[in-house]
Amino acid sequence: DAKTTQPNSMESNEEEPVHLPCNHSTISGTDYIHWYRQLPSQGPEYVIHGLTSNVNNRMASLAIAEDRKSSTLILHRATLRDAAVYYCILRDGSGAGSYQLTFGKGTKLSVIP
Amino acid sequence: NAGVTQTPKFQVLKTGQSMTLQCAQDMNHNSMYWYRQDPGMGLRLIYYSASEGTTDKGEVPNGYNVSRLNKREFSLRLESAAPSQTSVYFCASSLQPSRFNTEAFFGQGTRLTVV
Repeated sequence: DAKTTQPNSMESNEEEPVHLPCNHSTISGTDYIHWYRQLPSQGPEYVIHGLTSNVNNRMASLAIAEDRKSSTLILHRATLRDAAVYYCILRDGSGAGSYQLTFGKGTKLSVIP
Repeated sequence: NAGVTQTPKFQVLKTGQSMTLQCAQDMNHNSMYWYRQDPGMGLRLIYYSASEGTTDKGEVPNGYNVSRLNKREFSLRLESAAPSQTSVYFCASSLQPSRFNTEAFFGQGTRLTVV
């Protein structure tokens, strides 16, 4: 799986929007962009994924750059419960890629009350 | 919904002891995985099972064995525990093998300390 680059940490005030960036300059045409998050002392949980178009779900939005070399996870109103480590992962959708989700160190998001 | 259940939640072993970590999912998923997470690091894949009856090595398989007992259960065995295996272990499952881009569901983890 191709590599991603994320800031080590970010802070946000409660109830404000949060934009978590991810760079993936070596992304291939068949790579999907996945986001997972890991709350303290818990297993990772799926947030969202997309290929080319922006995506929305109940948890977040995913904005994908036109050249697909970067993406941004958007939390529209941060809550204290959103304090977690957020992982941006590229997944090969061609069927030829590996089975594993390759987790980097992610971005640790702190939410300030 | 229970989702992915791991037992035990905590375990302390002495070097050389053996143990089996249990994992069960109730979502009728085909694929199951075992990851380990060391402090301050991301998760690394130990073994996976794309479907019932198959298992394959991941990134860090040395020192571990696995058994896909049936569609629901996937166990991880440490035959002779070493301090380097001190970690948090996560089991995960997905409807299809990962390459089909279905989301993975993770258990709460087993915190293992080897002294």
